[in-house]
This record gives sequence, C-alpha cells and structure tokens, in this order.
Amino acid sequence: EIVMTQSPATLSVSPGERATLSCRASQSVGSNLAWYQQKPGQAPRVVIYAASTRATGIPARFSGSGSGTEFTLTISSLQSEDFAVYYCQQYNNWPRAFGQGTKVEIK
Amino acid sequence: EVRLLASGGGLVQPGGSLRLSCAASGFSFSSYAMTWVRQAPGKGLEWVSTITDTGGSTFYADSVKGRFTISRDNSKNTLFLQMNGLRAEDAAVYHCAKGSGWYIWGQGTLVTVSS
Repeated sequence: EIVMTQSPATLSVSPGERATLSCRASQSVGSNLAWYQQKPGQAPRVVIYAASTRATGIPARFSGSGSGTEFTLTISSLQSEDFAVYYCQQYNNWPRAFGQGTKVEIK
Repeated sequence: EVRLLASGGGLVQPGGSLRLSCAASGFSFSSYAMTWVRQAPGKGLEWVSTITDTGGSTFYADSVKGRFTISRDNSKNTLFLQMNGLRAEDAAVYHCAKGSGWYIWGQGTLVTVSS
C-alpha cells in the first residue's frame, strides 16, 4: 500500500506571506492527488484535485504542483481564513491513503 | 449544492454493532461512487470504504475488512455503513463523501466505543 508523508507537520506563517506544503508518496501516484483543507469542527473541503486543478470556489492564491511521488501545495499570500490543517490524499491505488496533515498556523 | 448528512452514530459497547446512514441531495446520487472516511478525535483522516455507483463493487480498508459492510439504496439516495464487532480503535467521526477518487464531504456522525 502507498504511504503518504507530509512535511512539515506545522508551518508558522504570517498573514500575507507564502506557504509551501509538501507531500510525498511512497510510490508513483501519477497526478491522482488531492489536497483538502480542514478547519476545527468542520468537514474537510477539497482545495486541489488532479494535483493542480483548483476546486470550485477555491481562490487563485492556492496552487498545486507535482506528479509521480512529489507534490506541493502553495498558498501565495496567506489570508486569515487559510489557517487550517491541510491533508494530501492519493487516489491512484487501493487502499486510498491520506497524509498525516500539515497545520498552518499564525506566526 | 451537494448535501451529505450522516446519522446513526452514538455510544456502543466493544463488540457491538451500529448502522450509519448518509442522506444525499443536490446531485445525481445513482451516478456516483460514494465513500466513508473516518477521523479519530484529534487525529488525521482514514479512508474506510468505497462503493461504486451501482453498488456492484466495494472496497475496504484492511482495518475494517470483514467487520464493516458498505451499501446503498439509490431509490432513496442513501448510503449505509453497517459496523459489526466494533473496537475502541473504531471510535471516530465518520464522514460520508461523494466520489471514489477525490471527495466532496459531508458533516460526519460521531461513533464512541466504550464499556
């Protein structure tokens, strides 16, 4: 089974700064990778799918890149509503697998 | 707008059973695979099970295989998860989600396993 590893576990960023989150797969997942945002007490929300496609309603400051085993989620200028936990997930193989999450917190 | 409302959670003793339901609206339910994902308190996300649009194929995490059964009723736009032989480690919020790849999520229902 594929193991997804996210780094860092916690990212401290000031509002307006850029945030770069990483996700690594233990074997190639092609472009079958999604990123989710989860705020406390809420269900996750898809931000990026197919590695680089923004989901409906997601602002252009969010971008995804990568393929194969290395992926990146970039938030170009952090807004207050972006502070949350972000998970990557592969959907190339069964069983589906999530990374352990990166918490983006206010510096 | 996609709406997914999970229900059926609660407190159950170890070894007990529970049946979760998820009422779907805002999309053509019978055209999409559906998924259950769980999240233990303070922990990350864990994929549990997926069922294809017709119900003809099902997929399970090893941690629940043989104990949980996913099913659906397309005439009632409802997804189910029958959970038997519950263990302490099954305690979590269970979310239903639209899709088999990337997901659109609904609010979850809390399952507590304790004596």
